[in-house]
Amino acid sequence: QKEVEQDPGPLSVPEGAIVSLNCTYSNSAFQYFMWYRQYSRKGPELLMYTYSSGNKEDGRFTAQVDKSSKYISLFIRDSQPSDSATYLCAMSRPYSGGGADGLTFGKGTHLIIQP
Amino acid sequence: GAVVSQHPSWVICKSGTSVKIECRSLDFQATTMFWYRQFPKQSLMLMATSNEGSKATYEQGVEKDKFLINHASLTLSTLTVTSAHPEDSSFYICSAEPRAGSGANVLTFGAGSRLTVL
Repeated sequence: QKEVEQDPGPLSVPEGAIVSLNCTYSNSAFQYFMWYRQYSRKGPELLMYTYSSGNKEDGRFTAQVDKSSKYISLFIRDSQPSDSATYLCAMSRPYSGGGADGLTFGKGTHLIIQP
Repeated sequence: GAVVSQHPSWVICKSGTSVKIECRSLDFQATTMFWYRQFPKQSLMLMATSNEGSKATYEQGVEKDKFLINHASLTLSTLTVTSAHPEDSSFYICSAEPRAGSGANVLTFGAGSRLTVL
């Protein structure tokens, strides 16, 4: 079983719809959860970042973390064609004695918003 | 906001040659930078952790003699793909953490460098 599972899609929805993107994970040590958006041939850009369980809202985006289920979600309201991109979930453990630790990424979900 | 710059964004080289990719943190210092590789329709795979002033830490399965990493300053890390072969063709992305010590591992990524080996 991979540490992070994410449906690669593609997920195609009409403009204005609510989009739900999800990831599951197996490592209970993960404490930090992020969503990145990646346009074709570009580096990922950070959308949302949450610590431990709970919800976080930023404009049209809402991130949810359910550590008991090892399940995280990203919701996009009033989706726009410009939201069409690949969305990557990422997570990490806390630092373990100095120095940074890399992220573990999901495979990414390719989202298409139809005008 | 924090910016990570990568250069070149696109490089084509002949098989057997070496290619150097630069990663710079433009408005913050980064004691640690990360190098990822991404194949088409695949996720980012961590290759190595670049530590300023010391040797890089490579992930299992990544050849350290093939992918040379140098982190000579707090704002620059370089990845050199030595004796590149077609199977090394990929999208290489670097990242750094603007808020080192925050415990969050919230990384800022460069725009990536697409390597095509003929």
